[in-house]
Formats: sequence, C-alpha cells, structure tokens
Amino acid sequence: AQSVAQPEDQVNVAEGNPLTVKCTYSVSGNPYLFWYVQYPNRGLQFLLKYITGDNLVKGSYGFEAEFNKSQTSFHLKKPSALVSDSALYFCAVRPPRGTGNQFYFGTGTSLTVIP
Amino acid sequence: GAGVSQSPSNKVTEKGKDVELRCDPISGHTALYWYRQSLGQGLEFLIYFQGNSAPDKSGLPSDRFSAERTGGSVSTLTIQRTQQEDSAVYLCASSLAQSGDTYEQYFGPGTRLTVT
Repeated sequence: AQSVAQPEDQVNVAEGNPLTVKCTYSVSGNPYLFWYVQYPNRGLQFLLKYITGDNLVKGSYGFEAEFNKSQTSFHLKKPSALVSDSALYFCAVRPPRGTGNQFYFGTGTSLTVIP
Repeated sequence: GAGVSQSPSNKVTEKGKDVELRCDPISGHTALYWYRQSLGQGLEFLIYFQGNSAPDKSGLPSDRFSAERTGGSVSTLTIQRTQQEDSAVYLCASSLAQSGDTYEQYFGPGTRLTVT
C-alpha cells in the first residue's frame, strides 16, 4: 500500500539551530516527493519538490530536502531555524506518472522554533 | 494573480442537512483536487478532475459525497445528509498539468465544516 509517514508529531528547535523534519514513504517505483507548509489559518503552501536528478533539492525560505532512495526518505532541513518557520509541515508523495492521481500526505509535523 | 479561493470559509450545519462547498481554481489550471483534513490527520484525497476526462472519484468516502466541475473551472463538492464525522476542513487545490509537469499543487484556504 502507498503511504507516507512523518514519525514526529512535534519538533522543537532553538532559533539559529539546524532543523530536520522527517519523512519516509512507501510507494512503488520512483515517486514524486513534495513538502508543504501550513501556517495558522492559511492554506498549504508549496516548499519544494523532488522529481528527478540531484538528490538534494533546494526550495523556498532556505529549506532543502534530501531524497534517499535506499532509505525511502525525504527529510526536510534548514541550516538555521527562524521563529517565523514555526508552522505545520506536510510531506507528500505522488506515485510515478501513469499509476494514479492520488497524492499521499503525511499526518504533519508541528515545528516550533523557540526564540 | 489570484490564487485558489474557496467558499464559504466556515460552514455550520445540522446533522442530516446537505451542504455545498465551492472552489475557484487558478485560471488556466486544468487539474483540480479535493481533500479532507481532519484534526490530527493528514490530508485525505477525495476526488481529482483533469480537463475533460472523467474524474477520479476513488477517494470519496461514501455515496453521500459527490463533486462536479463546470466548464473546466469552478468545482462544487456536495455532501448529502451530513453526519458529525463529516466535520473537517475541506481543501481544494489546483495544478497546471501539462506535458512534463511536476504536479505542484496550489491550495485554497479551505472550508471548515462543522456538523452539529
């Protein structure tokens, strides 16, 4: 079965420290991988995506993510956290083209950056 | 330009009543998704429209749920005989699907549905 797991419901990090939000997936073939962020009372916003090519993907607001095929992971990272990064983060995966239309989202990780 | 809009932003209804939720996608976006977001859970796929193709309804949880997309633009999600378990935030997203696309979705702010 296709699925996405975000093992941490909550991540706390001090401002200025590096942050990591974890995501693992179970999808047949080579999936497309995404990270979205949801600020309070706002819709989801696209952060970054991995389709093919370089395993390290850079996105909005200084975030990056590393695709690891052997570990089926796509962890979100940022070298230096800001208080304004505090939000709910969702990992999503889409199976390879031609194998369905569904996106599978994780349950979200609440990131709190402590001043 | 304008993003994805949804209306109403909040809807409170009594159990057993029907509700309609509206989504206006970004102009020119041919793909449209509906999701349901319940507290503490991820986004649950409901239905997908792509151009003039038959919609992918595989995520609709019951026959009380239906959706249509008129003229390839505005979409309406209808829930008949609402139940308390239908209470959730309903999100709409659109995407510019084209050859070689990467399926990046743009989300609306959602409609918070509360069934009393």
